This record gives sequence, C-alpha cells and structure tokens, in this order.
Amino acid sequence: EVLLVQSGGVVVQPGGSVRLSCEASGFNFADYSMHWVRQAPGKGLEWVAVTNWDASSTFYAESVRGRFTISRDNTKNSLHLHMSSLTTEDTAFYYCAKSATHVQWLVLDHWGLGTLVTVSS
Amino acid sequence: DIQMTQSPSSLSASVGDRVTIACRASQGISNYLAWYQQKPGRVPNLLIYAASTLQSGVPSRFSGSGFGTDFTLTISSLQPEDVATYYCQKYNSAPVAFGQGTKVEIK
Repeated sequence: EVLLVQSGGVVVQPGGSVRLSCEASGFNFADYSMHWVRQAPGKGLEWVAVTNWDASSTFYAESVRGRFTISRDNTKNSLHLHMSSLTTEDTAFYYCAKSATHVQWLVLDHWGLGTLVTVSS
Repeated sequence: DIQMTQSPSSLSASVGDRVTIACRASQGISNYLAWYQQKPGRVPNLLIYAASTLQSGVPSRFSGSGFGTDFTLTISSLQPEDVATYYCQKYNSAPVAFGQGTKVEIK
C-alpha cells in the first residue's frame, strides 16, 4: 500500500521560513517523480512544484519560484519543501503527491493527507 | 502558461441523472488531461488520465472525452457518493495547471 506521511501543521510569521516533509512507503520511491500541491482553505488546487526521480530536474509554479525549493532524499524515501519569504497568501494545506508512472510523471495518483501551513503574525 | 477553465462552477442534479462537466485549455494540449475527484474533507483522487483512460478502481459510470482544447467528464448515473468537487488538470508539460473546480451536489 502506498503511504505518504506528512509532517504536522505549522504556524509561521510573515517573512519566515519552514520546511515540510513527506515520508513515502509502499513503492520504490526512487523510481517516481514527486510533487507538492497546495489548497487554501475552501479554495481550489494549486500545483506548487515537482522533482524528477533523482532531483536533477525541478519545476515550480510562478507564484513560488525563487522562494520555495523542492528536494528529495532517495536513501530515506523522503520529500521536502523548503518555503521562505512567506506571506499570508501562502496559507494553505500542502499535499505531497506521487506521480502515476515514469511516463505519466505529471499525473498524481497518490496523495498525502496534507500539512496545514498558517502564515500569521 | 496554459490556463484551464471549467464549467459550470457548480451544479445540482438528481440521483440517476447524467452529469457533464466541461474543461477548456487556453492552448492545445493533445490528450494530456486528467480529472480528479475531491470529496468533502478528503484528499483528491485520480479518476481519469490521458483524457479518457479510467484509473484502476474507478467506477465505470465515470468517463472522459476530448482532445486539443475541449474536454468533458461525464457521470452517466449520478450517485450520492459522487458528491464532490471535480478538477481537470493539464499535464502536457510543466508547470501543471488545474481548473478551478466544479462542485457537484445532489438535488
């Protein structure tokens, strides 16, 4: 069974930084691209970032480019998102998600339960 | 970047009704289109990819069609458990983009 276990919710001040984690199990983590997607409370889905299987290729949404960094550790089956220069607009549930296949690397077939990031003073 | 627009934003239908949701891409994306279902309080679930390929385990009352810029998700006979928000997603290239969602309720 594919499991994506995410770190707990956090509250961070505007301008601050935080690092989210996602621990994967139930599949060969190193074979799959991994994503972060966010959802502000009561709003729609917004894709954030993707890393390919070995982190040699990463892409970001324009809204977070230059502020967020996606990374992975294939030896620990873990995915991370380092978020900096946070604003209230970044308040959201952040989901890690697994790509469906090597070819369908931008399709998301399993999702974590989400981490609530609240940016507030 | 390519924008994805869904219509309607919400709909209300009776159990057993045929329900159709539209998704339009601002540029052609071939068949690189997926649909997700998000039930209230739950995480999104992949329903369809490649515009019309049903993900394993998804009921056959769900179907998808389209190519290029115009796509459709159809529920052939709406069931109470289909109450959810549905999102289309383009994936021809990064960055990925989702539609704004269509909320489906039971009348």
